[in-house]
Amino acid sequence: EDQVTQSPEALRLQEGESSSLNCSYTVSGLRGLFWYRQDPGKGPEFLFTLYSAGEEKEKERLKATLTKKESFLHITAPKPEDSATYLCAASSGSARQLTFGSGTQLTVLP
Amino acid sequence: ETGVTQSPTHLIKTRGQQVTLRCSSQSGHNTVSWYQQALGQGPQFIFQYYREEENGRGNFPPRFSGLQFPNYSSELNVNALELDDSALYLCASSTGLAGGLEQYFGPGTRLTVT
Repeated sequence: EDQVTQSPEALRLQEGESSSLNCSYTVSGLRGLFWYRQDPGKGPEFLFTLYSAGEEKEKERLKATLTKKESFLHITAPKPEDSATYLCAASSGSARQLTFGSGTQLTVLP
Repeated sequence: ETGVTQSPTHLIKTRGQQVTLRCSSQSGHNTVSWYQQALGQGPQFIFQYYREEENGRGNFPPRFSGLQFPNYSSELNVNALELDDSALYLCASSTGLAGGLEQYFGPGTRLTVT
């Protein structure tokens, strides 16, 4: 059974304090690894897709990386507006359905 | 470009009742997937529709059913509602099996079963 585990569950940072979020996955026939941002009461917002180990993608203060067993979302010099829940998901199967982790709730304090 | 839209935004139903949720996919997308998100959890895959046919299903009972229409919009129907069905229901659209893997989500429908 496909499994995606995220850590930590919650993370509180001071503005400007860089950190990383972890996503471990056990998926048969991985087609892609996704990162989404979700604000309270809203749908997930697409951030990145990673397809193969060693791949990296960047967007503003965020950088996502992928190994054969894990993905990391690095946040450099975060701002309060980066506060949200960050979800990791793996795509597999004929329907390429997404298997999500439970998310990391990030709070950035001013 | 129009994003994914869902209706209604919120819904309150009584146990045993039936509910229909609606989704309009993003322009140019022919595949719709539905997910259930309980509070504090990640979304769970319910099923996917591609060209009006069910193309995959997660671990949900048959009382969860769906439809996709020729314009690629979709419905999720849930019969015999249970208290545990209370959740945020998310619709996501994508360009289909021959296209990219990215799924774009709508704002969700918050269903409360009392």
